[in-house]
This record gives sequence, structure tokens and C-alpha cells, in this order.
Amino acid sequence: ETGVTQTPRHLVMGMTNKKSLKCEQHLGHNAMYWYKQSAKKPLELMFVYNFKEQTENNSVPSRFSPECPNSSHLFLHLHTLQPEDSALYLCASSQVTAGGAHNEQFFGPGTRLTVL
Amino acid sequence: LAKTTQPISMDSYEGQEVNITCSHNNIATNDYITWYQQFPSQGPRFIIQGYKTKVTNEVASLFIPADRKSSTLSLPRVSLSDTAVYYCLVGGRLTRSGSARQLTFGSGTQLTVLP
Repeated sequence: ETGVTQTPRHLVMGMTNKKSLKCEQHLGHNAMYWYKQSAKKPLELMFVYNFKEQTENNSVPSRFSPECPNSSHLFLHLHTLQPEDSALYLCASSQVTAGGAHNEQFFGPGTRLTVL
Repeated sequence: LAKTTQPISMDSYEGQEVNITCSHNNIATNDYITWYQQFPSQGPRFIIQGYKTKVTNEVASLFIPADRKSSTLSLPRVSLSDTAVYYCLVGGRLTRSGSARQLTFGSGTQLTVLP
């Protein structure tokens, strides 16, 4: 247990479906992240929320929409995905210091997404 | 953006010391170097982080030369349970108002520990 939970753990959806991934951290951290991990590829950073403000969006298609209602919860809303979006989606959190230093990230177990 | 390069795979035997090197030639002044371990179907787990010289904790050591263009993760006396993918991550100085510097994961090194 890392203190970061993700639901659901597995998700199968069609290209016309709308679904959401949920992440919750119980560590009191102030930054949260979404990563995508495709088969045989490095982890790709998708979004960063720092103090509930989105500070990074790495050219992610608009069919992925993040939401961070508070510092403990992070969502990834999915709409009209493509089969190539099938991957492991990982959430992480960390504590960013007042000086901006990035500390270690704690990762959740991930959601295995399959788009048919 | 600091790109990292690691060996794709390494084999070792139980009880041996394992050194995994990561190259990051265009590392920026504010970049930290962090290593993570990942088992199948799990999220990565933090191992160690450093900025320069040497850092040691209860599970590993991290060696960073003066030019910081590479780093070496050292795992003493590995066991079968250390079989995993090891990632080198460079970057990550987040600021409240500005854009975050991209956190760049490498391709990872598959370490296989043999009995």
C-alpha cells in the first residue's frame, strides 16, 4: 500500500463510451499526476496538478480530460477513445516544497484500460 | 528536455552487486535524478533520489559524477525479489505559478536476478 488508490483497476470500454478514472491519495500531498504506460514504452507524463492547479499538459488529446476538485482527488475523464489509448494509467502524488523542489512520487496500482 | 538512456536489460545472480547506469547528457541545473522500481502490474516505487555526488539509503546507492551527465544505481547483494524494471527519472522542479518541467522517465532496465 502506497497511500494512493485508483479505481477501477480494470476497465473495458467502447470507442463511444464515456468513463472516468479516479485517484485518491491519503498522504497529504499537494501535487498529483497522471501517467500513461503503453506496452513496451516508457511512462509518459500526461498531466500535473500542483496545489489543485493544472501546471502541465503534455500535448494530451482532448479526449482525455483531467479534473482535480481538491488536493486529495484526481479524475481522468475519458470520451471517444481510440484503441491505441489502451494502456495502464497510473496516478501519483508528491509533496512539492515551498522552494519548488519535486520530491518522490508515490504511485497507485494503475487502471488497466482496454478500448475496443 | 532531459532525455535518458539506460540498458534495456541486465542479468545478475543472487548475492551480487548490480550497477545500472543512466545517461542524461542534457540534464538541466535544477534537475534531480530519481530512480524507481516497477514490478509487473504495479505502479513504480521510489528507490532513491540525488542531485550530485553520492547518496545512500537502506536499499541502494546513487553515484553521480561531477558533470551530472550520468548516474549509477547500485544495488548491493541482490535477491530474486529484486527482479523488476528500474527507471531513471530526470527533472521535476515544480513551481506554483509556472509550468512544470517535464518529468522524463527513461525506457527502463529489466533486471533479472538468477538463482
